[in-house]
Amino acid sequence: DTAVSQTPKYLVTQMGNDKSIKCEQNLGHDTMYWYKQDSKKFLKIMFSYNNKELIINETVPNRFSPKSPDKAHLNLHINSLELGDSAVYFCASSPQGSEQFFGPGTRLTVL
Amino acid sequence: AQTVTQSQPEMSVQEAETVTLSCTYDTSESNYYLFWYKQPPSRQMILVIRQEAYKQQNATENRFSVNFQKAAKSFSLKISDSQLGDTAMYFCAFMKLNSGNTPLVFGKGTRLSVIA
Repeated sequence: DTAVSQTPKYLVTQMGNDKSIKCEQNLGHDTMYWYKQDSKKFLKIMFSYNNKELIINETVPNRFSPKSPDKAHLNLHINSLELGDSAVYFCASSPQGSEQFFGPGTRLTVL
Repeated sequence: AQTVTQSQPEMSVQEAETVTLSCTYDTSESNYYLFWYKQPPSRQMILVIRQEAYKQQNATENRFSVNFQKAAKSFSLKISDSQLGDTAMYFCAFMKLNSGNTPLVFGKGTRLSVIA
C-alpha cells in the first residue's frame, strides 16, 4: 500500500515545454508539500497546502503552479521549463504536528 | 529564520562499528521537532528518528540514537553496529510547531559510506 505516490518517477523534456507532476496520499493527512532537491542534494520547501489551501509559497518562479483538487492530491504544474528546473521534486504529507511522509520523488531532466 | 548545519559532507565507517553524524541548528523557537532522514541510492526519503524539543530524554530507535543538547542546539545521530544497508545520505531537519503544520528545514546532508 503506497502511502504517498508521485507520477511520473522520471520526466525528460525539452526547454520551453509545460509539464505536470501528480501527487496523491492515502494517509488522510491534511497538509501536503512540494520540495525541490537540487544537484547538490539540498532539499528546500516550495509549497505547502493545508486542506486544499495554499499556506506557504516560498520564493519560487510563478512558472510553478501547485493545484490541490482535494486534500489527498497536490499536483505541480511547471510552465516554460528551463534548464535550471532540472532536479528531483518530492511530494510529502503530514498529520498535525508530526513528521512528514515523502513520496518516491520525480527526477525532472530538462534538455 | 531557522538554519540547520551539517558540518560533515562525507563520512565512512567500517561494518559493525559505530559512527556519529553531527548537526547543529539555530532557532529562536521554543517548540519544535528535530528529525534525521535517510536517503539511500533509491532516493526515497526515510524517517530514521525524531526528537521533540520538550523531551529531555534522547530518542532511540534500535541501532539509531540521538544526542540532543537543547542549550547547545546540537542534535547528533549515532549509528551502532553499522550495516552495509546504512550507506546513504543522512539529512538533519528542523520543524517548528505552531497551530498548523510547518515545512521542514534541512541541512545539506552527510554522505555515509559503510565499508565491508
